[in-house]
Amino acid sequence: EAGVVQSPRYKIIEKKQPVAFWCNPISGHNTLYWYLQNLGQGPELLIRYENEEAVDDSQLPKDRFSAERLKGVDSTLKIQPAELGDSAVYLCASSQGAEAFFGQGTRLTVV
Amino acid sequence: SQQGEEDPQALSIQEGENATMNCSYKTSINNLQWYRQNSGRGLVHLILIRSNEREKHSGRLRVTLDTSKKSSSLLITASRAADTASYFCATDAWNTGFQKLVFGTGTRLLVSP
Repeated sequence: EAGVVQSPRYKIIEKKQPVAFWCNPISGHNTLYWYLQNLGQGPELLIRYENEEAVDDSQLPKDRFSAERLKGVDSTLKIQPAELGDSAVYLCASSQGAEAFFGQGTRLTVV
Repeated sequence: SQQGEEDPQALSIQEGENATMNCSYKTSINNLQWYRQNSGRGLVHLILIRSNEREKHSGRLRVTLDTSKKSSSLLITASRAADTASYFCATDAWNTGFQKLVFGTGTRLLVSP
């Protein structure tokens, strides 16, 4: 069974440019999370979906970040425009119960 | 925002020794989970302990939970070089009927051969 798939693995962009990350969760997992992880820190929740509904987006900086989960399966996280402080690893996870399964993450560098 | 704090932030031991990491959290929980993260990789689930459990074992892992002190510990016995990774606790507090998984700050474990 395939795990959570994220792309791209790495992305380097100039500040003020837009960027998008894609996540394909494990088949059948209704819950999908996007986390941000800064170097040396634990993951911080950005948004959580139950099927296609965003049930917790309180930590998402809505002025520049947006997310969607079409048909309750794949999800896209977008930043527009990117700032230097957005450089981090963006992790996607899915679950169908208590245990969450994580993708490899997308390492974003904003220069 | 981080729910939990791990202690110590970093731990360096020799192969064969035991490693103990502690996690403190702030709010009531339904369960607490421990995850491992190898450098540059995603997180991998290790073990889950429910709020009504006090201790749980899985292979070389032993987890304890003290809900009165809002703390948990992860013990890795007979450590191996392959155990080198960052370890995170994550608390699960059902919010509005849905699971909310909040991670701590992590302990970086280095096991030297």
